[in-house]
Amino acid sequence: AQTVTQSQPEMSVQEAETVTLSCTYDTSENNYYLFWYKQPPSRQMILVIRQEAYKQQNATENRFSVNFQKAAKSFSLKISDSQLGDTAMYFCAFMKHPRSEGKLQFGAGTQVVVTP
Amino acid sequence: EAQVTQNPRYLITVTGKKLTVTCSQNMNHEYMSWYRQDPGLGLRQIYYSMNVEVTDKGDVPEGYKVSRKEKRNFPLILESPSPNQTSLYFCASSLSAGGAYGLSYEQYFGPGTRLTVT
Repeated sequence: AQTVTQSQPEMSVQEAETVTLSCTYDTSENNYYLFWYKQPPSRQMILVIRQEAYKQQNATENRFSVNFQKAAKSFSLKISDSQLGDTAMYFCAFMKHPRSEGKLQFGAGTQVVVTP
Repeated sequence: EAQVTQNPRYLITVTGKKLTVTCSQNMNHEYMSWYRQDPGLGLRQIYYSMNVEVTDKGDVPEGYKVSRKEKRNFPLILESPSPNQTSLYFCASSLSAGGAYGLSYEQYFGPGTRLTVT
C-alpha cells in the first residue's frame, strides 16, 4: 500500500516570500501520478499542480513549482511570491497508474498561513 | 458550467437516522468517488464507481453504501449513522476509468458536505 507523508503541520510565510512544503511517499510502483491540492477556508479542493512519474522535468504552474525526486520518493511544492490568497491547507496526493481503482492517497496536509 | 454538486452542504443528525448525501456531475464522467476528510488524516476514499452499476470499496467503506444507477449521480447512504461518521465528505469525478495517460485521470471535487452525527 502507498503512504504519503507531510511532515510539516503548519507553516507561516510573509507576503512576497517563498515557502517550500515537503512531501514524501512510499511505493513499489514505477508509474504513478503526484498532485498538490489546495483547500482554502471555503473547503473547496483545488488542483494546484500535477506530475507524472515518467516525466523527469519538474512541473510548474505560474508561482507554483515542484521538486520531484523519484529515487528519493520526494515531491516538494514551492510557492513563490506568496500572496494572502495562498493561505490554505495544502495536500500532497499519490495515484498509481494504471488506475485500477482511481484512488487518490492523501497526506495529512500542511496549513500555510501568509501574513502581511 | 462544468461542476460536481453535493447536497446537503451541511447536515446535523442523530445516531441511527438514515440519511443520503447526493452527488451529481454534469461532465459525462465515467468515474466517481467518495472521500471523507478528518483532521490529521487527510482525505480517505470510501467507495468508488468505474461506471454505471459498477461500484467497489475504498479504504474506509464500513457503515456506508453507494449506488450508481445513472452516470451522473452517485449518492452516499448512511443506513445507521454513528458519531464516528462525523466528518467532511467530498464527492469527486473524472472522465476516464481507464489507464491511459492524459488528463482523463484528473479528479474534480464537489464543494463538500459537513456532517455531524450526535
